[in-house]
Amino acid sequence: ETGVTQSPTHLIKTRGQQVTLRCSSQSGHNTVSWYQQALGQGPQFIFQYYREEENGRGNFPPRFSGLQFPNYSSELNVNALELDDSALYLCASRPPGLSTDTQYFGPGTRLTVL
Amino acid sequence: SQQGEEDPQALSIQEGENATMNCSYKTSINNLQWYRQNSGRGLVHLILIRSNEREKHSGRLRVTLDTSKKSSSLLITASRAADTASYFCATDGNTDKLIFGTGTRLQVFP
Repeated sequence: ETGVTQSPTHLIKTRGQQVTLRCSSQSGHNTVSWYQQALGQGPQFIFQYYREEENGRGNFPPRFSGLQFPNYSSELNVNALELDDSALYLCASRPPGLSTDTQYFGPGTRLTVL
Repeated sequence: SQQGEEDPQALSIQEGENATMNCSYKTSINNLQWYRQNSGRGLVHLILIRSNEREKHSGRLRVTLDTSKKSSSLLITASRAADTASYFCATDGNTDKLIFGTGTRLQVFP
């Protein structure tokens, strides 16, 4: 167990809808990253938040947005859902002062867009 | 796009055999990590090797890194059915994000 939790576990939406996914980091972890993993692929970096500010973004359109709260929990929002957004969404948190070698991944949210 | 490629894409072996997976990447790195993923769930960190290291061991795992060839290998010795999973390498590309390869699906038969 990494201490990182995600909700919901599974979600089904229809094309054009909006979705919010949630991640609760380990206590004290002030950096959270979100990844999208399509079926049969490796995870792809969406963005990272550090102290409530976006701190790096991958090749994803603006309809993918995020928030980090003062307690360092985080949300991933996706607007105008497309069929290709169907994937496993993973969040990963890490404590302050350390680099990527100490990221802790949650179990993921599986999103299906119909 | 993915940073790396794992080879093979799929591997089937019997319990007790060794499993070797290879990973190639494209850019310079600070470190390379290997992760395991069971049935499309969360990623479990297995081992990290830094760019100035050539080999590292952890239990039944052995990782090598060749930065001149931009490649790494993961060896799992004496495989068990419980090792059945997908295995991914991930590099940091000198940035603060992880870049994953495409993964190797390992099936270990009892």
